[in-house]
Amino acid sequence: EVQLLESGGGLAQPGGSLRLSCAASGFTFSNYAMSWVRKAPGKGLECVSAISGSGAGTYFAESVKGRFAISRDNPSNTLYLHMNSLRAEDTAVYYCAKEWYSSGYPASLDYWGHGTPVTVSS
Amino acid sequence: NFMLTQPHSVSESPGKTVTISCTRSSGSIASTYVQWYQQRPGSSPTTVIYENNQRLSGVPDRFSGSIDTSSNSASLTISGLETQDEADYYCQSYDTTTRVFGGGTKLTVL
Repeated sequence: EVQLLESGGGLAQPGGSLRLSCAASGFTFSNYAMSWVRKAPGKGLECVSAISGSGAGTYFAESVKGRFAISRDNPSNTLYLHMNSLRAEDTAVYYCAKEWYSSGYPASLDYWGHGTPVTVSS
Repeated sequence: NFMLTQPHSVSESPGKTVTISCTRSSGSIASTYVQWYQQRPGSSPTTVIYENNQRLSGVPDRFSGSIDTSSNSASLTISGLETQDEADYYCQSYDTTTRVFGGGTKLTVL
C-alpha cells in the first residue's frame, strides 16, 4: 500500500524558512517522480514543485521560483521541500504526491499524502 | 502557457448523472493527458481519472473521463450520484514547461 506522510509544517514569519519532508513507503521510491501541491485557503490546487525519480530534473511554479528548492533522498525514501523567503501568500496546506512516471513527464499524479499546513504570519 | 477553465459549481440529485467540463485555453486538449482529482471537505485530494479516461484502481466505474477536440475540453461524468460524491473536483494537465490545474468545481448532491 502506497503511503505518503508529510511533516515539517507550522508557523513561519514573513521572510523566514521551513523545510517540509515526505516519508514514502509501499513502492520503489527511486522509480517515480514526486510533487508538492498546495491548497491555499479559498483557492484551488497548485503544483509548486516536482522532481524526477533520479533527482536530475526539477520543476517549479513561477510563484515560487528562486525561493523554494526540492530534493529527495532515495536511500531513505524521503522527499523534501525547502521553503525560503516565505510570504503570506505561501500560506496553504502542502501535499506530497507520487507521480506515474519516473521523469515527471507526462505530469500525472496518482497517490497523495494527507498534507501539512504552513502558515506565514508575523 | 495555458489555462483550464471549470464551472465554479454544479448540483444534481442522488441517482442522477452530472458532467463537469474543463476547457483548455490554448493548445489542443488532445496534445497532453488530462487528470481529474476529487477533494472531499476536510480530506486530501485523491485521483479519480488519469490519462483522460483511465480510472485509478478502486475508483467506481460510475466515474468516467473523456476529451472533445471540437470544444477543446475534457469532461468528468459521474453517474448514479451518491451523497459521498459531494466534493471539489479539479482537472489537471501540463505541457513541457508548466503544470496547470483548473480552478475546481464544487459538486453538490442534493
